[in-house]
Amino acid sequence: AQRVTQPEKLLSVFKGAPVELKCNYSYSGSPELFWYVQYSRQRLQLLLRHISRESIKGFTADLNKGETSFHLKKPFAQEEDSAMYYCALRSVSGSARQLTFGSGTQLTVLP
Amino acid sequence: DAGVTQSPTHLIKTRGQHVTLRCSPISGHKSVSWYQQVLGQGPQFIFQYYEKEERGRGNFPDRFSARQFPNYSSELNVNALLLGDSALYLCASTDGSSGNTIYFGEGSWLTVV
Repeated sequence: AQRVTQPEKLLSVFKGAPVELKCNYSYSGSPELFWYVQYSRQRLQLLLRHISRESIKGFTADLNKGETSFHLKKPFAQEEDSAMYYCALRSVSGSARQLTFGSGTQLTVLP
Repeated sequence: DAGVTQSPTHLIKTRGQHVTLRCSPISGHKSVSWYQQVLGQGPQFIFQYYEKEERGRGNFPDRFSARQFPNYSSELNVNALLLGDSALYLCASTDGSSGNTIYFGEGSWLTVV
């Protein structure tokens, strides 16, 4: 069975400081990993996916299969980055494609 | 273009009652999934429907059921409500192709008292 672990429930950093949100996964197949973000009073939205290898809003994430990790990083945090961040793994079971989410990390960027 | 829409946004039910939640996917999307998000946890997969057929089911009791209509909208039904069913129920849609982005609605907040 697949599992996603986000060890930090809460994370606070000062504006301009680097930030790293940790995500570890377990999955027997080839993983497809995502970061979703939920700003206050807004819906869950995709931030980035590992297959795109893109940077969104200054965030990047690299899939490390050896360490089974997909940590989210940003070199200089901004106050508008304060939000709830979820790491998710997409698995295929039969004909179903489902997302397995971690429990989330609430990031607060202090002025 | 409207995103995924869900109704109702909030509702309160009593233990033992039944509830129906509704979802309209993004136009052109044929796949709808349902997730339950209990306070303090990440969303948990309940069902996926594609072209009106159930494609997958998470680890939820038979009290939970769903269906998808010819217009690709979907309903989630929960019978014999328990206090533990109190949660945010999220609907998500995608066009069903492998690798395509999954878009979420704002959710329906269910409180069981």
